[in-house]
Amino acid sequence: AQSVSQHNHHVILSEAASLELGCNYSYGGTVNLFWYVQYPGQHLQLLLKYFSGDPLVKGIKGFEAEFIKSKFSFNLRKPSVQWSDTAEYFCAVNGGRGSTLGRLYFGRGTQLTVWP
Amino acid sequence: SAVISQKPSRDICQRGTSLTIQCQVDSQVTMMFWYRQQPGQSLTLIATANQGSEATYESGFVIDKFPISRPNLTFSTLTVSNMSPEDSSIYLCSGKDSTISTDTQYFGPGTRLTVL
Repeated sequence: AQSVSQHNHHVILSEAASLELGCNYSYGGTVNLFWYVQYPGQHLQLLLKYFSGDPLVKGIKGFEAEFIKSKFSFNLRKPSVQWSDTAEYFCAVNGGRGSTLGRLYFGRGTQLTVWP
Repeated sequence: SAVISQKPSRDICQRGTSLTIQCQVDSQVTMMFWYRQQPGQSLTLIATANQGSEATYESGFVIDKFPISRPNLTFSTLTVSNMSPEDSSIYLCSGKDSTISTDTQYFGPGTRLTVL
């Protein structure tokens, strides 16, 4: 089964700092990759996703992520964070050998706190 | 996109009792899922709710403990049976428009369950 690792459990930044959240997955076959965000008191919502083509994908609110197949990684980046980016961020992977159709495997999440 | 609601939003229950969580989608979705998020852990898939037939459970989850119904394409319920404190968790419902792996999965707000 697929496993997903997010290396940072809690990241604290000041506004305007750059952000990079790491995500690695275990299975190297055909996978689809997602970043979800959960703002305080809100639903999980999709930030961006990759399934083919340009490995650098852009999402909402200035976020982007780069798929590096050789490293099994899909790191999330933002050049300049804002206080409103304070949220929990989840990396998720769909696919891999023996996986349930449509199933998402999630990382543990990274809590981002941005100080104004 | 689909908007998903869950009831109740939270509950505190006594050991040995059961709780049924409802999930309502504002549009028909092909696939519906139930996830669990235990404190400090990632989201874990419990089962895929299948319309008109028995749910498909992931390893470690059984129908007797987590019976699921899905009578139509917009509604599903998850029951947590014979609860123990270890069942304290957030339970999330999600929906997906199709079986295509790249399609976005939409999430409900979650039900926060505390078992005393």
